[in-house]
Amino acid sequence: AQSVTQLGSHVSVSEGALVLLRCNYSSSVPPYLFWYVQYPNQGLQLLLKYTTGATLVKGINGFEAEFKKSETSFHLTKPSAHMSDAAEYFCAVRSSASKIIFGSGTRLSIRP
Amino acid sequence: NAGVMQNPRHLVRRRGQEARLRCSPMKGHSHVYWYRQLPEEGLKFMVYLQKENIIDESGMPKERFSAEFPKEGPSILRIQQVVRGDSAAYFCASSGTGGVQNTEAFFGQGTRLTVV
Repeated sequence: AQSVTQLGSHVSVSEGALVLLRCNYSSSVPPYLFWYVQYPNQGLQLLLKYTTGATLVKGINGFEAEFKKSETSFHLTKPSAHMSDAAEYFCAVRSSASKIIFGSGTRLSIRP
Repeated sequence: NAGVMQNPRHLVRRRGQEARLRCSPMKGHSHVYWYRQLPEEGLKFMVYLQKENIIDESGMPKERFSAEFPKEGPSILRIQQVVRGDSAAYFCASSGTGGVQNTEAFFGQGTRLTVV
């Protein structure tokens, strides 16, 4: 069975500071891993994904994530936070031809 | 290429009525997923469908809820005899068929169901 754990339901950083959102997964087979962002009253937008190959994945809006198999982690980072980054972020996992399982989400707030 | 289209965006139903939520996947996609999001909570998987087949309905409540994805037309999530606890945002997502290039799902804007 697959599962995703996001540590910290709410993260607050200052504008310009490093953003780090944590995600750990459980999967019995090599996983596909995703980060999605959700702005208020909207659907989810894909930020980035890991399938195979390079373990450091770059996404939109300056975000990146690193797949660490030994730690079963896929943490999301951004070097410098911007006010427009305030949103809900979801980590997700799937194996081939299966449903996508989401974490409980992390709300990112940006302090001026 | 239009994205995933959900309608209606907002739906108000009285207790005991039926709610029908529609989802048209992206062009060329044959996999559809439905998720429910309660206020201040994450997305809970409900059902995974391919054309004319239910692949995984492990997240679907056993009663009152059903889903279909016919050969022609949109996917439908149907909730019979709605209760206040059904009030939530329901999101549909679609994905392509196979290969690492088709692993992610694309989401619609959601249908916000309010039961009064």
